[in-house]
Amino acid sequence: QLQLQESGSGLVKPSQTLSLTCAVSGGSISSGGYSWSWIRQPPGKGLEWIGYIYHSGSTYYNPSLKSRVTISVDRSKNQFSLKLSSVTAADTAVYYCARCLGGSYSNWFDPWGQGTLVTVSS
Amino acid sequence: SYVLTQPPSVSVAPGQTARITCGGNNIGSKSVHWYQQKPGQAPVLVVYDDSDRPSGIPERFSGSNSGNTATLTISRVEAGDEADYYCQVWDSSSDHPGVFGGGTKLTVL
Repeated sequence: QLQLQESGSGLVKPSQTLSLTCAVSGGSISSGGYSWSWIRQPPGKGLEWIGYIYHSGSTYYNPSLKSRVTISVDRSKNQFSLKLSSVTAADTAVYYCARCLGGSYSNWFDPWGQGTLVTVSS
Repeated sequence: SYVLTQPPSVSVAPGQTARITCGGNNIGSKSVHWYQQKPGQAPVLVVYDDSDRPSGIPERFSGSNSGNTATLTISRVEAGDEADYYCQVWDSSSDHPGVFGGGTKLTVL
């Protein structure tokens, strides 16, 4: 079945750029017309949607993060990526990647990667 | 952006029925999805489109949605159901479409 696995730096200095990759296995990232999303969860807090990349390559971001976020896809490697610039301690969180299912009017997330903790600290 | 409101906690005895609510303005006009998250684990989808269950999710998990409240119902609660539960909608008319509720901690007494 489809599996997602996040990877990237677990420690990022303030003002630098957080970079994560989500490797997709058990299926092609290009098939099915799916979208692919990033979601984060600060320690002890709830879930926050970061954004997604549509199968066409179009992207859509949380307005509160939009100026700092870039989501891209590398179809040759069957993976998609997240870059978040100018990070602060408030960006410390577990970052999850997930597949988006649904359509224009309703999207949900399934499956999710196991998550990776990113700490912003000098 | 659209706001979803969940109670912080719900407690229930084993074998009883747990109901976790998710409030939002006219949420009945949207499709609601529910996730279960156990400590140290990633969220797992348990209900989508108000009341559909993904493959592998027990029939004990069900959902409903009407008016300003959506509800996740867990029948015959087991100790293994103890977890955080999050509701989620996709507000396609908003510039912030991906919205999660604040989460509810289900405690099995």
